[in-house]
Amino acid sequence: DIQMTQSPSSVSASVGDRVIITCRASQGIGRWLAWYQQKPGKAPKLLIYTASTLQSGVPSRFRGSLSGTDFSLFTLTISSLQPEDFATYYCQQSNNLPLTFGGGTQVQIK
Amino acid sequence: QVQLQESGPGLVKPSQTLSLTCTVSGASISSGDYYWTWIRQPAGKGLEWIGRIYTSGSTNYSPSLESRVTISIDTSKNQFSLRLSSVTAADTAMYYCARIVSPNSYMDVWGNGTTVTVSS
Repeated sequence: DIQMTQSPSSVSASVGDRVIITCRASQGIGRWLAWYQQKPGKAPKLLIYTASTLQSGVPSRFRGSLSGTDFSLFTLTISSLQPEDFATYYCQQSNNLPLTFGGGTQVQIK
Repeated sequence: QVQLQESGPGLVKPSQTLSLTCTVSGASISSGDYYWTWIRQPAGKGLEWIGRIYTSGSTNYSPSLESRVTISIDTSKNQFSLRLSSVTAADTAMYYCARIVSPNSYMDVWGNGTTVTVSS
């Protein structure tokens, strides 16, 4: 199985801050990475797929990117944190079965 | 607008079989562009992929659950189902059904989830 490691596990930030979340795969996964947002008591919501494609309706302050050249390090950047962005974020790889998720990053209010 | 809705018992006894159904509305489950999947999440923990099914009935399962899981599809009812046998307290979780976009395998539509507790 491909292991997905997110960091940090939690981050405290203020409205207007830039937040960067990292997801590292245990092996190269091409661009087969998605990001989800989950609010308490709600189902996850797709934000980004194929590493950097914004899902329809998702604000442009969310940006996904591939870092480096080995296709194993990815970032989710929230350029200017809004009150509705306080949530937990998960990455998910789809390069290999079984599909696997990162452990999550909780974005909290500072 | 595509919607998915999970249904099934919220309480299952240890050693019994957990059975859930996901009803799809607003789209045909027979579309070749998608897989249909189950994911679970224990309270306060992360997401775990259980398995997926294609309209043809072809399935893939997580190796950690494969010996106990069956996912099936009923195109006439636009539903797919999960059966998990020999449950223990470790299977207590929120269970989500979702649609997977093929071939990129990301989940673009999710159900609201249903809580299943394993307890005697």
